[in-house]
Amino acid sequence: EDKVVQSPLSLVVHEGDTVTLNCSYEVTNFRSLLWYKQEKKAPTFLFMLTSSGIEKKSGRLSSILDKKELFSILNITATQTGDSAVYLCAVGPYNQGGKLIFGQGTELSVKP
Amino acid sequence: DSGVTQTPKHLITATGQRVTLRCSPRSGDLSVYWYQQSLDQGLQFLIHYYNGEERAKGNILERFSAQQFPDLHSELNLSSLELGDSALYFCASSPGQSQETQYFGPGTRLLVL
Repeated sequence: EDKVVQSPLSLVVHEGDTVTLNCSYEVTNFRSLLWYKQEKKAPTFLFMLTSSGIEKKSGRLSSILDKKELFSILNITATQTGDSAVYLCAVGPYNQGGKLIFGQGTELSVKP
Repeated sequence: DSGVTQTPKHLITATGQRVTLRCSPRSGDLSVYWYQQSLDQGLQFLIHYYNGEERAKGNILERFSAQQFPDLHSELNLSSLELGDSALYFCASSPGQSQETQYFGPGTRLLVL
């Protein structure tokens, strides 16, 4: 059965810290991996990764995919209280329409 | 604001009842996806429609059905509701029918009493 596992499930850090969120997957016919941020409402898109080793970066957030080892990481540097949210990892397989398989999420809390 | 709209925002109903959730995709998007988010199951894919046709189905219960209309809005019908159906129901949209970024609406929070 296809699955996506995120770790840790929750994390508390202080402003200015750097955090690394992990996502591993076992999905038949992997096509893409997406990261979303959810702040008590709709998930908002962060990154989509399809190729191994290519880093996607947006400001203080960056992500990389390792298709050989079947995982991805999301890095957040110089964290701010506004980064507090649940970060969701999702994998999209081929031949299953637009289905995304989501992990349980990592709840990040950034303390002042 | 993703541009995806969902109504209603909240819905409270009783077991055994039937409800309809509505979603309007972003302008120009032809695909609509429905997801259910509960505390114990996380975000679960229900169904995908592209330009009016069903493209993929997840673990959607037989009591649930969906359709996408010619104007591309979609409705998710939930019938014979049970307590366990209480969840947040999200709609997402994307331009095409393949693997693309999906943009999520604000969700409908359903409470079954």
